[in-house]
Amino acid sequence: DQQVKQNSPSLSVQEGRISILNCDYTNSMFDYFLWYKKYPAEGPTFLISISSIKDKNEDGRFTVFLNKSAKHLSLHIVPSQPGDSAVYFCAASLNQAGTALIFGKGTTLSVSS
Amino acid sequence: ETGVTQTPRHLVMGMTNKKSLKCEQHLGHNAMYWYKQSAKKPLELMFVYSLEERVENNSVPSRFSPECPNSSHLFLHLHTLQPEDSALYLCASSQVLTGGEKRNTIYFGEGSWLTVV
Repeated sequence: DQQVKQNSPSLSVQEGRISILNCDYTNSMFDYFLWYKKYPAEGPTFLISISSIKDKNEDGRFTVFLNKSAKHLSLHIVPSQPGDSAVYFCAASLNQAGTALIFGKGTTLSVSS
Repeated sequence: ETGVTQTPRHLVMGMTNKKSLKCEQHLGHNAMYWYKQSAKKPLELMFVYSLEERVENNSVPSRFSPECPNSSHLFLHLHTLQPEDSALYLCASSQVLTGGEKRNTIYFGEGSWLTVV
């Protein structure tokens, strides 16, 4: 049973528009959430995170929103750029030191110019 | 350069071979991980070492054997693998902390592509 779900395997967006990537989770004990970006033939790279005490965290063009009641988080990229084309993974963590992350299956974002 | 280095980047092995994947982190972290990425599946956690002690083993078959000789190095020993074990194996590290925005942020290596023939 998947605890972290990314229900959209792919998303296509035009350059300059907003990209919205969604993620749902089932375990209410998760209290820290992260987004990773992955290019082909490379390992995932950390993008942005949010703890459960917040509902929004912003870093440049990237904003993550957390809705705890809905167990839903989203990543907004605005404006989208062709270099943003990659696979985006949502991940969640329990409130235990040393606990590894639980990942979703990923969403492939394609930004066309 | 991610601070986590994996070798080899590509490995082809027969089902009767014994090989090892190596990971080294230069970030001063105290926890290391092995993840497996298969096509169209979530990243699967295989092993966690925190402070050089194994703290999690997600029902991984015994043909995969991890070794963590120190906080900077992690190995995955492979023996009598199956073709379905072909995947991208990712090593990662983190600094185990409690609290704070950077808690449990994991940094990945570029992965080792394994093909079992």
